[in-house]
Amino acid sequence: EAQVTQNPRYLITVTGKKLTVTCSQNMNHEYMSWYRQDPGLGLRQIYYSMNVEVTDKGDVPEGYKVSRKEKRNFPLILESPSPNQTSLYFCASSPYGLDEQYFGPGTRLTVT
Amino acid sequence: DAKTTQPPSMDCAEGRAANLPCNHSTISGNEYVYWYRQIHSQGPQYIIHGLKNNETNEMASLIITEDRKSSTLILPHATLRDTAVYYCIVSSWRSGGGADGLTFGKGTHLIIQP
Repeated sequence: EAQVTQNPRYLITVTGKKLTVTCSQNMNHEYMSWYRQDPGLGLRQIYYSMNVEVTDKGDVPEGYKVSRKEKRNFPLILESPSPNQTSLYFCASSPYGLDEQYFGPGTRLTVT
Repeated sequence: DAKTTQPPSMDCAEGRAANLPCNHSTISGNEYVYWYRQIHSQGPQYIIHGLKNNETNEMASLIITEDRKSSTLILPHATLRDTAVYYCIVSSWRSGGGADGLTFGKGTHLIIQP
């Protein structure tokens, strides 16, 4: 089944403790992206990647890192999480970027 | 600034066509119109997109006005499972390369009534 998977689905952590949210797609898509969703603010793009080893900032990249070492994986790294990064995070992929994007199920992160 | 304007909520009777409007008066020539929906807190689901011509797929139809300043998403026979928040988005390639991210606004909460 074609899908985007994210792990973990739920995470509660403390300020400053590094964490990684994994994202994987099995559709051989070139383009992958991370979004965060906050009440009243909608979804906002954090980082995106056009291909392996090619990443770029979205609209809200501060406090996040990403890497794209393999086509299928696009992990989101929070080196020193803070409470303002408490949010619902979505990973997405698409063949080239401007076409249909497939979203993962989301990761609900709470930073205390 | 928001690129699109949508009503915050709409109701539609089950079995009827749901027509969701979107204004995008500042759209530029290379920007596409996309529609996604999100059911509760699940990942958004792609519905349809277009540039200038009307488009139809198995889920919906997209009608874009000739001046491209507004569009309408039509769900031809709405069911209870179509209750969701519907997002209208305009997007294009970034000037430095790479697709412009999809900026989701607040969307329209469509409620299908039995």
